[in-house]
Amino acid sequence: DAGVTQSPTHLIKTRGQQVTLRCSPKSGHDTVSWYQQALGQGPQFIFQYYEEEERQRGNFPDRFSGHQFPNYSSELNVNALLLGDSALYLCASSRLGPNTEAFFGQGTRLTVV
Amino acid sequence: RKEVEQDPGPFNVPEGATVAFNCTYSNSASQSFFWYRQDCRKEPKLLMSVYSSGNEDGRFTAQLNRASQYISLLIRDSKLSDSATYLCVVNAGTASKLTFGTGTRLQVTL
Repeated sequence: DAGVTQSPTHLIKTRGQQVTLRCSPKSGHDTVSWYQQALGQGPQFIFQYYEEEERQRGNFPDRFSGHQFPNYSSELNVNALLLGDSALYLCASSRLGPNTEAFFGQGTRLTVV
Repeated sequence: RKEVEQDPGPFNVPEGATVAFNCTYSNSASQSFFWYRQDCRKEPKLLMSVYSSGNEDGRFTAQLNRASQYISLLIRDSKLSDSATYLCVVNAGTASKLTFGTGTRLQVTL
């Protein structure tokens, strides 16, 4: 079992650019959630996808958007990058429900310069 | 007020010590509770779920007090390998959205 895989692992972008991050969930999981973790903080929920639709969204601007594909993989897109978007972006996969374990990928470390 | 609050530490303890972390949450509708461990520059990994009856896994014991909206983690006989950040995590909804505390950093020394 490959677990949750994310790509790329590291990325450097310039302010104003756009970025796409990718996530493949653990086998058997149908729900993908994205989190942003700034240095010294806990992960913050961005949004969650299930059945190719955004089910829940955290307090993030519309510059953050996503997609889920029929094979359950997911993308996170961020437009008009700001310096403050520099963070570790984590993808978590699970089965839908409140008591299921979420498995995290190793994350994508995004640096905006 | 933050939804999940933790003392950020760091907690510096000698090997073999017992250390306890506490966490409070604000949403009384929260349904499930977890402790995750995160090593430096790595992803969070589930340490244990937390139940009202309390649960134990080896040297680790977790407790939940719903009335006080309080969660705890006790680590006995600390090992050097326990050095990490411990994240208190709450799920308040019917979906899988997790709300994290800022984490408590533990450093176990010789």
